[in-house]
Amino acid sequence: SQQGEEDPQALSIQEGENATMNCSYKTSINNLQWYRQNSGRGLVHLILIRSNEREKHSGRLRVTLDTSKKSSSLLITASRAADTASYFCATGDTTGTASKLTFGTGTRLQVTL
Amino acid sequence: DAGVTQSPTHLIKTRGQQVTLRCSPISGHKSVSWYQQVLGQGPQFIFQYYEKEERGRGNFPDRFSARQFPNYSSELNVNALLLGDSALYLCASSAAGANVLTFGAGSRLTVL
Repeated sequence: SQQGEEDPQALSIQEGENATMNCSYKTSINNLQWYRQNSGRGLVHLILIRSNEREKHSGRLRVTLDTSKKSSSLLITASRAADTASYFCATGDTTGTASKLTFGTGTRLQVTL
Repeated sequence: DAGVTQSPTHLIKTRGQQVTLRCSPISGHKSVSWYQQVLGQGPQFIFQYYEKEERGRGNFPDRFSARQFPNYSSELNVNALLLGDSALYLCASSAAGANVLTFGAGSRLTVL
C-alpha cells in the first residue's frame, strides 16, 4: 500500500518559477527521501532528510519535514524545462541489512518555456 | 561504473504465462530490492535480498518469487500472470544498511 499522498497530483508552471509539492505519510519514520522519475523510467534519488532534521538544502532543492504533522515539502527554485518529471516522496525503514521504501502517489511536474 | 542494469526492457506475455526479470546491481552493492509500479501510482515494495537471503517481502501473492545469486545479481519470477500484473518492474541496489536506493531503468511488462 502507499504510505501517503502527495499534492498536488499535477503541477504546471513556467520556467523560472518555483515549484512546491507536498507529501503526507502515515507512520513513524527514520527518514524521508524524494525521488524523481522521468517518463516512466527508473527513479533518481534527490535528497534525504532524517527524522531529527527540519530542513535540508541541495542546490535548487529545499526539503522540509514536520514530523508532528507527518508531512514534508519539496521546493524546486528557478525551475527549468529539464525539471519536468514525476516526483515521489518515500519513507525509509532500515533495520540492519533490511531496507524498504514506501512511496507516495507522486506529483507530475510540467515546466514550460 | 555501470549503474543498475535490468533486462529485458520490455516484454509482452499472455495471461497464465510465467516471466523472469533480471537485475545486476552496482558493483559492491550487496542488497537488491524489487518494486512494482502500476501506471499512475508510486512504486510498491515486492522483495529485498541481502547476501542471497530474503530480508523483506511486500504484500504480494506467492506467484511472485525472487532470488539472489552469489554475484549479487537477482531474478524476479512471476507465475500465472494476470492482467493486473502489467506494470513497470524496478530493481534497486544499495550498500549494506544504506537508506538510499539506486534504481535501474525498469522492465515494462504487458500482460494481454
